[in-house]
Amino acid sequence: GENVEQHPSTLSVQEGDSAVIKCTYSDSASNYFPWYKQELGKRPQLIIDIRSNVGEKKDQRIAVTLNKTAKHFSLHITETQPEDSAVYFCAVRNSGNTPLVFGKGTRLSVIA
Amino acid sequence: NAGVTQTPKFQVLKTGQSMTLQCAQDMNHNSMYWYRQDPGMGLRLIYYSASEGTTDKGEVPNGYNVSRLNKREFSLRLESAAPSQTSVYFCASGTGNGGYTFGSGTRLTVV
Repeated sequence: GENVEQHPSTLSVQEGDSAVIKCTYSDSASNYFPWYKQELGKRPQLIIDIRSNVGEKKDQRIAVTLNKTAKHFSLHITETQPEDSAVYFCAVRNSGNTPLVFGKGTRLSVIA
Repeated sequence: NAGVTQTPKFQVLKTGQSMTLQCAQDMNHNSMYWYRQDPGMGLRLIYYSASEGTTDKGEVPNGYNVSRLNKREFSLRLESAAPSQTSVYFCASGTGNGGYTFGSGTRLTVV
């Protein structure tokens, strides 16, 4: 089955700096790559996603890039703010109607 | 439009007790899922239902059963709770080829 690895597990940045979280996957047939943000005690919420026919997608301060050849995708957060502090999960779907497989998460702390 | 509603939000069980976690969605999604979240382990799939009338095992199904009651409702049952089932449980729904909407979670403690 699909194997998703996420790095780093924890990340601390100064407010205003950029943060990058990377995920690798094993199945070259994977075609959907969402990112979720989970604030403390809350539910995971979808913040951005990308499909395999697109190399990059941006939404204000967040962007996701996909390298299908290398089988990795990354979340980029620019101009970080304290409210960006949360746990971020990447996920992968490899085909059709199969469930998402999640990475183990990255705890991002933005230090004011 | 409530999205995905889970009940209860908190529960404490004694070892060996049974309980059912309820989940309902009002987004007309075909697919529904149950995940458990443990520290450092991410979200692990317990069971899912790709469409009404079907259910399939996920990564960690042992000790659980599910029922897709209708298109809106997908319940998770613990027949004989064990301390290893202490976790936060999330229900989610989706169209099948896109992202999920998660419920607010159930924090379960088995003593």
